[in-house]
This record gives sequence, structure tokens and C-alpha cells, in this order.
Amino acid sequence: NAGVTQTPKFQVLKTGQSMTLQCAQDMNHNSMYWYRQDPGMGLRLIYYSASEGTTDKGEVPNGYNVSRLNKREFSLRLESAAPSQTSVYFCAGQNMNTEAFFGQGTRLTVV
Amino acid sequence: QKEVEQDPGPLSVPEGAIVSLNCTYSNSAFQYFMWYRQYSRKGPELLMYTYSSGNKEDGRFTAQVDKSSKYISLFIRDSQPSDSATYLCAMRTSGGSNYKLTFGKGTLLTVNP
Repeated sequence: NAGVTQTPKFQVLKTGQSMTLQCAQDMNHNSMYWYRQDPGMGLRLIYYSASEGTTDKGEVPNGYNVSRLNKREFSLRLESAAPSQTSVYFCAGQNMNTEAFFGQGTRLTVV
Repeated sequence: QKEVEQDPGPLSVPEGAIVSLNCTYSNSAFQYFMWYRQYSRKGPELLMYTYSSGNKEDGRFTAQVDKSSKYISLFIRDSQPSDSATYLCAMRTSGGSNYKLTFGKGTLLTVNP
């Protein structure tokens, strides 16, 4: 079992470029989440998918889009990257009455 | 007022000390309370998981929830250098199909040998 796998682990983008962060889980989670973590700000929810086929905005959705491709995969897309999106991004999966399991993170720098 | 408040520290203690980490919250609908540990450059990992009020003990770690005061705590006994990490409190309601967690900002703990 790999758990929750994020790719890539590191990425540098130029302002205005686009990219997709990938997340896959093999834990049969119904719900999946994308967070960003910034110094002094903690973990902030960007988007989540309560179940396959549904997505909803979290606390900081502006500048992002998501796709729940199937039960295993939940991707996060930056259409036009901005320096304010420099952050560490975490994907997580969860079922009812269980904890959230996190991936190892993607470190994104936008220059 | 943020839904969950956590003192960011940093907190520095000598090896063997008792550590107390705390969070307060404002949403009385929160029913599930968690503590995550995050080592540098890693993803958060669950340390303790508690439903409603009460205490839960696991080895050197004790989690306490006081719903009447909207206050949760994590105690670490006989702290070790390997406990050095950021500790994040998290909580959620019990309703519907939405299990999303609300996190505190995290407390950076350093245990000095």
C-alpha cells in the first residue's frame, strides 16, 4: 500500500504558467482534500471532494481548479500561476469516522 | 475570531520535560478532535484521535477534550528529541458526508538533548 501519493514532489514555475498537481490514494477513501501550508498560516483547505463526482470550494479556492477523476485520483490545477501561490501543497484522503491521511507534499515555487 | 486558535510557539524544552500543547475553538458543533505531528518536510501524521469530551492516553501521549470550555490539550510525558516536530490540532463536526477538518496553525516543538 502506497497510501496517498503526490506528484511531483518539487516544482518551479514562472508567473503565468499552468500546471496540475496529481494525487492518488489506494486506501479506498471516499473524501479527498487539497490543502496549502504557508508559514504562520497553518493548513488551509483549497478544495475538497466529499465523494466521487462532487467537488466543493474550501477556504482559499481562488486561482485553483480541481478534478475528481475517479475514486482514487484528485488533481489540483493552477491555470495561471502567481507568486502568491508559492506554498507546500498537501493532498489528503479520509472516510467517515477515520482520520485524514496525508501525502508527502508538493513544494511549489512561482517566480 | 478564527474557528481554531493554537499558540504557534516555538516551544523549546529539555529532554524529559512534560510538554503541554493547547487549542481553543469557537464552533460548538465540533465533535471529533485530533492531534497531528508533522516532521520537517513531511506530511502530517495522526497522533491522537478523540471523540467528544474526555481523556485518551497512548504511551507518553495524553489527549484531553473539554467541550464545555471549548479547549483541547495534548500532553507529552518524558519528552524525547524525536518528539521535535510541529503539532497541529484538528477538529470536525459529525454531520452529513462532509468530514473536512479545521486545523490550528500548529506549534513548533523542539526537545533539546
